Amino acid sequence: GEEVAQTPKHLVRGEGQKAKLYCAPIKGHSYVFWYQQVLKNEFKFLISFQNENVFDETGMPKERFSAKCLPNSPCSLEIQATKLEDSAVYFCASSHLGSAQGATGNTIYFGEGSWLTVV
Amino acid sequence: KQEVTQIPAALSVPEGENLVLNCSFTDSAIYNLQWFRQDPGKGLTSLLLIQSSQREQTSGRLNASLDKSSGRSTLYIAASQPGDSATYLCASTGRGNKLVFGAGTILRVKS
Repeated sequence: GEEVAQTPKHLVRGEGQKAKLYCAPIKGHSYVFWYQQVLKNEFKFLISFQNENVFDETGMPKERFSAKCLPNSPCSLEIQATKLEDSAVYFCASSHLGSAQGATGNTIYFGEGSWLTVV
Repeated sequence: KQEVTQIPAALSVPEGENLVLNCSFTDSAIYNLQWFRQDPGKGLTSLLLIQSSQREQTSGRLNASLDKSSGRSTLYIAASQPGDSATYLCASTGRGNKLVFGAGTILRVKS
């Protein structure tokens, strides 16, 4: 597709429940990213993939958060045993190339986000 | 660790005015500098990307400059319109296209 598609748009979970978010990157893009946006526009990098391989997971909380990008499937971000502070908008993004490979390919395209509310 | 700061945090201008949004970053070892726009309840739209070897990029009424040595970038918006009202974010790009964002500038253009 020509846009990054994220589902669901909104998700409400009780504390302790599992949450799973999905992302279909733009067709042909090799890099997929997950970002978490909390209050006041603070974007936090979570994880990136190069194809199905984890490229950088330095932003992922060590417990409860996991992510996958398997061939022929949407990428996913899963949060086990959600906590109130997990409430945020989770953005998926994709790009054609890595950062050192040319301006056009570097442009990063974002989905519209998945709004997770933990109550 | 890269830190990105944006000034001002909010800006309100009358329609037609030219304006400048500022972005500074602490680590000059960046690959690119990217400016985004975010409308309420929406994702990010890429406006301009400046490679580290470039000094500026232009698209329509937007012009972004980059001074790596001083760790600064500016986004210039000419002849502002109410439709320009949004949050503008700058982000530095590191290895693997990883973005470090500023907190954004909330722009309101009054008609």
